[in-house]
Amino acid sequence: EAQVTQNPRYLITVTGKKLTVTCSQNMNHEYMSWYRQDPGLGLRQIYYSMNVEVTDKGDVPEGYKVSRKEKRNFPLILESPSPNQTSLYFCASRPDRGLLTEAFFGQGTRLTVV
Amino acid sequence: EDKVVQSPLSLVVHEGDTVTLNCSYEVTNFRSLLWYKQEKKAPTFLFMLTSSGIEKKSGRLSSILDKKELFSILNITATQTGDSAVYLCAVELRDSGAGSYQLTFGKGTKLSVIP
Repeated sequence: EAQVTQNPRYLITVTGKKLTVTCSQNMNHEYMSWYRQDPGLGLRQIYYSMNVEVTDKGDVPEGYKVSRKEKRNFPLILESPSPNQTSLYFCASRPDRGLLTEAFFGQGTRLTVV
Repeated sequence: EDKVVQSPLSLVVHEGDTVTLNCSYEVTNFRSLLWYKQEKKAPTFLFMLTSSGIEKKSGRLSSILDKKELFSILNITATQTGDSAVYLCAVELRDSGAGSYQLTFGKGTKLSVIP
């Protein structure tokens, strides 16, 4: 089954404790991205990657890192989480940008930083 | 700055009503407009629109794009409680030459359908 898999689904952590949210897709998509969703603000892009070893900042990259060492994986790293990073996070993937197709979303990770 | 605005932000209707959700945009290098439905988890794809005036239809849902007036509408007829969700509109920006493309989302319309 074609899917985007995020882990964990729920996470509660303390301020300053490094964490990684994993994202993996099995559709051989070139393009992957991370969004955060907050009440009243909608989905905002954090980082995106157009292919292996190619990443770029989205609208709200501060406090986040990403890497794209393999095509299927695109982890989101919070080196020193803070309470304002409490949010619902989504990973998404799409095929090559030349194709007009929708983005496929993971199931989301609800992160709480206390 | 690229902008996608959805209205209304929330809406409560009774089962059987017809609703129209709006999405207007101001972006550079428009490529496509997408509608998603989100029910407490991952957004699920509904429609992609690239050309003006061509209605996309799926069951009781339909959508159309007006590239001259820069908006799209999503219609839901004979609403059911299962239509209760947040409906997201996103605009894809054409490759800017730097090789990037992005989806810019509106804030969503929360639809509640009561029996």
